[in-house]
Amino acid sequence: AQTVTQSQPEMSVQEAETVTLSCTYDTSESDYYLFWYKQPPSRQMILVIRQEAYKQQNATENRFSVNFQKAAKSFSLKISDSQLGDAAMYFCAYRSGVSGSARQLTFGSGTQLTVLP
Amino acid sequence: ETGVTQTPRHLVMGMTNKKSLKCEQHLGHNAMYWYKQSAKKPLELMFVYSLEERVENNSVPSRFSPECPNSSHLFLHLHTLQPEDSALYLCASSQDWGSGRANEQFFGPGTRLTVL
Repeated sequence: AQTVTQSQPEMSVQEAETVTLSCTYDTSESDYYLFWYKQPPSRQMILVIRQEAYKQQNATENRFSVNFQKAAKSFSLKISDSQLGDAAMYFCAYRSGVSGSARQLTFGSGTQLTVLP
Repeated sequence: ETGVTQTPRHLVMGMTNKKSLKCEQHLGHNAMYWYKQSAKKPLELMFVYSLEERVENNSVPSRFSPECPNSSHLFLHLHTLQPEDSALYLCASSQDWGSGRANEQFFGPGTRLTVL
């Protein structure tokens, strides 16, 4: 079974600074997808960024980028130029690419990010 | 309405009550999901429906009963719940291509359930 670990329950960053949230996962599969979701106080879970395991290039979405290290099974999220609206709980998630089991998302326990003005 | 909606947003019920949670997706997706989010725990997948057929049931107690009458609607019927069932219940949807290449899931705002 796959597991996802987020070792930082809480993080804080100064507005306009950069912060990196860590995520590691354990799997024996070679084909999978990784996601970062954001859950602000409104509770609506929002997809931030996704990474396909077969792609070597790190995904980037505006101020959000990932550092995907497949051999190390590491998938960290970097937020540049942090804004007050980035404050939220961030979840790392894994999804298998194997047919028949691909629908289930396995989530980490989350990292609560505080942005300081 | 756009995206994934859930009603009610908050629900308080006694252990002997029967209630239902409703989820509706307006994205044209063909797969829907129920998750349970408890404090200090990762999200737990409860049920998955693909093309209105239940495809996964992660050992959820029978006091939770899902229903998917069509690809846009998903219900979670609740009966004789326990206080430990108090949690945020999240619904999600995605486009499932059926070959293992399901797209990312879009979540609703959740129903905050309190069982007294």
